[in-house]
Amino acid sequence: NAGVMQNPRHLVRRRGQEARLRCSPMKGHSHVYWYRQLPEEGLKFMVYLQKENIIDESGMPKERFSAEFPKEGPSILRIQQVVRGDSAAYFCASSPAAGINYGYTFGSGTRLTVV
Amino acid sequence: EDQVTQSPEALRLQEGESSSLNCSYTVSGLRGLFWYRQDPGKGPEFLFTLYSAGEEKEKERLKATLTKKESFLHITAPKPEDSATYLCAVQTSGSGGSNYKLTFGKGTLLTVNP
Repeated sequence: NAGVMQNPRHLVRRRGQEARLRCSPMKGHSHVYWYRQLPEEGLKFMVYLQKENIIDESGMPKERFSAEFPKEGPSILRIQQVVRGDSAAYFCASSPAAGINYGYTFGSGTRLTVV
Repeated sequence: EDQVTQSPEALRLQEGESSSLNCSYTVSGLRGLFWYRQDPGKGPEFLFTLYSAGEEKEKERLKATLTKKESFLHITAPKPEDSATYLCAVQTSGSGGSNYKLTFGKGTLLTVNP
């Protein structure tokens, strides 16, 4: 039973390019959460999605960032026109039901470097 | 705003030298306090959840305790394989809290030398 799969593991983008980060939840999990870990900072909640719905995007910057979790396929975190300050590790977690107490499992993350 | 502070930022121990990591929190309505282990290049791996003051959980060489203001992660006779970053996180019911969102501290980097 594969865990939460994130790809790519490392992503390098030039300033102004777009970054697409993918997260495939664990089998049977339909709830996905994205977190960002800036250098020297703790993980910060960004967005919570269920299939085809954004439930809470209160932690996501209003501009340039978007997230989706389509009916088929992985969840995508999209960052348009990346800037140096977007360099961070992005983690997703999944659970079979809404809430931390239902097997909330993290993936290994995508390390984004903006040059 | 919920705040989680972990100390020390880094801790170096000799194998077998027991110690404790601290996590202090200022939140409105604690639902749960979580400890995770994070190895380099990996995501957080769940260790414990504590729900109420006085609660204790144990797993191998690790023991987590909770008071109304802080939590401790005690490491007894650590081994080099215990080297990792230990993260503390809270789930709250106050403003901005929810049953699905965690607020993390910055972590404690533990190094255990053989």
